[in-house]
Amino acid sequence: AQKITQTQPGMFVQEKEAVTLDCTYDTSDQSYGLFWYKQPSSGEMIFLIYQGSYDEQNATEGRYSLNFQKARKSANLVISASQLGDSAMYFCAMREVYTPNTGNQFYFGTGTSLTVIP
Amino acid sequence: DSGVTQTPKHLITATGQRVTLRCSPRSGDLSVYWYQQSLDQGLQFLIQYYNGEERAKGNILERFSAQQFPDLHSELNLSSLELGDSALYFCASSAPSGTGPLTDTQYFGPGTRLTVL
Repeated sequence: AQKITQTQPGMFVQEKEAVTLDCTYDTSDQSYGLFWYKQPSSGEMIFLIYQGSYDEQNATEGRYSLNFQKARKSANLVISASQLGDSAMYFCAMREVYTPNTGNQFYFGTGTSLTVIP
Repeated sequence: DSGVTQTPKHLITATGQRVTLRCSPRSGDLSVYWYQQSLDQGLQFLIQYYNGEERAKGNILERFSAQQFPDLHSELNLSSLELGDSALYFCASSAPSGTGPLTDTQYFGPGTRLTVL
C-alpha cells in the first residue's frame, strides 16, 4: 500500500485565490511527521511546512497552512493568496519513527502540479 | 539555497558506463540521504548514511553504491548504467541526530540530472 497518496495530478487556481492540495497517508505508527515540499520547474526541492502527529494545532508558515485531520489521515496543504510564483509541483511526504530497516527516510507522494492563472 | 551542494548539475553518459555523484551536506548535518526521481517511479529513497556509516537502504540497485567520508560529504556511484537509470538524483541532509526527532526536516540539494544515452 502507498504510504502517501496525492490524488490530484494537476490543479489550476486563479491568482490571489486560495487552493487546497490533498494528501492522505497510511501508517500504523503513533508518532510521525508530515512535510510538504515545492518543486519548481528548475528542479530543486524546497521545504514548505511540517506537521507532527501530536501537534494539536495546524501548522502555518506564511501563506502556507496544513489542514491536519488525524482521524482521516489527511494532511492537506492550503496556499492562500496564490501568486504566479507558486506554479510548481508539490509533494507531500511522511517520516515515521526510526527503525534500522527504514532509517529516517521520507516517503513521498506522486505530487500535484499547480498552475496559477493570471 | 538549502545549504546542500551537489555536483555535477548535469551528467550525460552512455550505457555501460560508471559515474560518481557528489554531495556536501549542510554544515553540522550528519545524515545524508540519496533519492532518485524518475517519471515512472516518482521520488524513491535509495540509501541513508549517518556520520560515515550506512543507516538504511531503500530501493537501491546492486549496481549502485554510496559512501560517506570523514568530512561528511557523500558520493553515489552508479555503474553499468542503463537507459532506465536516467533520472534526477537528489541528496538531502538532516540535523545532527541520526535517529532524531520526527521534526528533523530533510533539506535537499539542487539535484544531479543524469541522462544515459
